[in-house]
Amino acid sequence: AQSVTQPDIHITVSEGASLELRCNYSYGATPYLFWYVQSPGQGLQLLLKYFSGDTLVQGIKGFEAEFKRSQSSFNLRKPSVHWSDAAEYFCAVGPNNAGNMLTFGGGTRLMVKP
Amino acid sequence: KAGVTQTPRYLIKTRGQQVTLSCSPISGHRSVSWYQQTPGQGLQFLFEYFSETQRNKGNFPGRFSGRQFSNSRSEMNVSTLELGDSALYLCASGREWHTEAFFGQGTRLTVV
Repeated sequence: AQSVTQPDIHITVSEGASLELRCNYSYGATPYLFWYVQSPGQGLQLLLKYFSGDTLVQGIKGFEAEFKRSQSSFNLRKPSVHWSDAAEYFCAVGPNNAGNMLTFGGGTRLMVKP
Repeated sequence: KAGVTQTPRYLIKTRGQQVTLSCSPISGHRSVSWYQQTPGQGLQFLFEYFSETQRNKGNFPGRFSGRQFSNSRSEMNVSTLELGDSALYLCASGREWHTEAFFGQGTRLTVV
C-alpha cells in the first residue's frame, strides 16, 4: 500500500528566508507526486506535480520540488518565503495506473515570522 | 473557466440523519473524487467516479456512498450520521486517467 510521510508537523521561518518541506513516500512503482497548499477553511490548491522526466519541477508562487527516487523523497523548496505563504502544505502520491486516487501526508503547517 | 463548485458550503445535521453533498466539476472533466478531512485522520480518499462509474473506493463504511450523473456532476451521501462524520468534505475533478486533481472549497459538515 502507498503511504506519504511529512516528518515536520510545524515549521516556522522568517520572511525572506529559504524554505524546505520534507516529503517521503512509499510506493511500489514510480508514483505520481503532488504538492498542495491549503489556507484555513479553504480547499486545496495544486502547487506542482511530478509525473516523469526532469526530476526538478517548477510550480506556482515560486515553489519547486525535487524527486529523488533513491531516497523516496519529493521535498518542496522556496528560496525566499513571503508572509502570504503561511498555510498548510500537503504532499500526495497517486497511482500511475489506477485513476485519480490520492494518498496524502499529514501536512506541514508553515508559519512565517515578520 | 469556473472551478470546482461544492454545495452547500456549510451544513449542520443531527446524529442519525442523512446528508447529500453536491459537486460540479470543471467543465470537460470526467473524473470526480471525494475526500474527507478531519484533524485526527487528515485527508482520506472516499471514492472516485469516472463517466458515471465508481472507479476507486477508499476504506469507508457503506454509509458513505456516491454517484455521478451524465453531466459529470457528483453527489455523495452519508446515511445514519455519526458525530465522527463531522469533517470538511472535499471534491476534486480531473480530466482523465491519473491527471492532476483540482479541488473545490469543500463542504463543512457538523453533526450534533
